[in-house]
Amino acid sequence: QKEVEQDPGPLSVPEGAIVSLNCTYSNSAFQYFMWYRQYSRKGPELLMYTYSSGNKEDGRFTAQVDKSSKYISLFIRDSQPSDSATYLCAMIRRGNNRLAFGKGNQVVVIP
Amino acid sequence: DSGVTQTPKHLITATGQRVTLRCSPRSGDLSVYWYQQSLDQGLQFLIQYYNGEERAKGNILERFSAQQFPDLHSELNLSSLELGDSALYFCASSEGLGTDTQYFGPGTRLTVL
Repeated sequence: QKEVEQDPGPLSVPEGAIVSLNCTYSNSAFQYFMWYRQYSRKGPELLMYTYSSGNKEDGRFTAQVDKSSKYISLFIRDSQPSDSATYLCAMIRRGNNRLAFGKGNQVVVIP
Repeated sequence: DSGVTQTPKHLITATGQRVTLRCSPRSGDLSVYWYQQSLDQGLQFLIQYYNGEERAKGNILERFSAQQFPDLHSELNLSSLELGDSALYFCASSEGLGTDTQYFGPGTRLTVL
C-alpha cells in the first residue's frame, strides 16, 4: 500500500462548478498537509498548507483535513478555465523534510 | 516564478551515458531537494541537502548522486543511464531543515533513447 493514495482519474467540470479532490494516507505520523498545483510542463506550485484538522480557506480554495480518518480534501469553488491543471496532495512527517506526494488529479474546467 | 532555477530545460541522451542537472535555490534558502516525476510513479523524493551536507535520502539509485556546493547550488548526476530513467527531474528549495514550504523549479525533462 502506498503511503499516500490519490485516485489519478482525470476530472472534467463545467466552468463555475465546484471541484472536489481528495487523498488518503496510511501513516499517522504525517502532520503537515499541502496541495500543489502543476500546470503542464511546469513545476508544482504550493496552493494550500495546513497542519491541523479542520478547514482552511484561501479565496476560492478550501483545504480540509481529517486526521482521525487520515483523509484530506481540496475544494475549488466557482472553477475557472485557468484552474485546469494537475493537483497533487503532499504531506510531511514531523521532523522529516521529505514530501510524500499523491499521484495527482488532472482537472479540466470547460468554458 | 518560484525563484528556483534549473538547467537545462531538456536533455536527450543515449543509454549508458552520464548527465548532470543543475539547480540554483531561491535566495536565502539553505535546503535543496531533488525529486523525480514519472507517469507511473508520480513525484518521488530522491535526496536532500542542507548547507552543503546530505540530510535525507529517498529512493535514489546508486547510479545517481548529488552534491551541494558552497554557493548553495546543487547538481544531480545520473550515470549509466537506462530507458527507465526518462522522467522530469525537479529541484525544490526551502529556508531551513524543518517543515518549511518547498518551492519547486521548472524541472529538467530527461529523455534517454
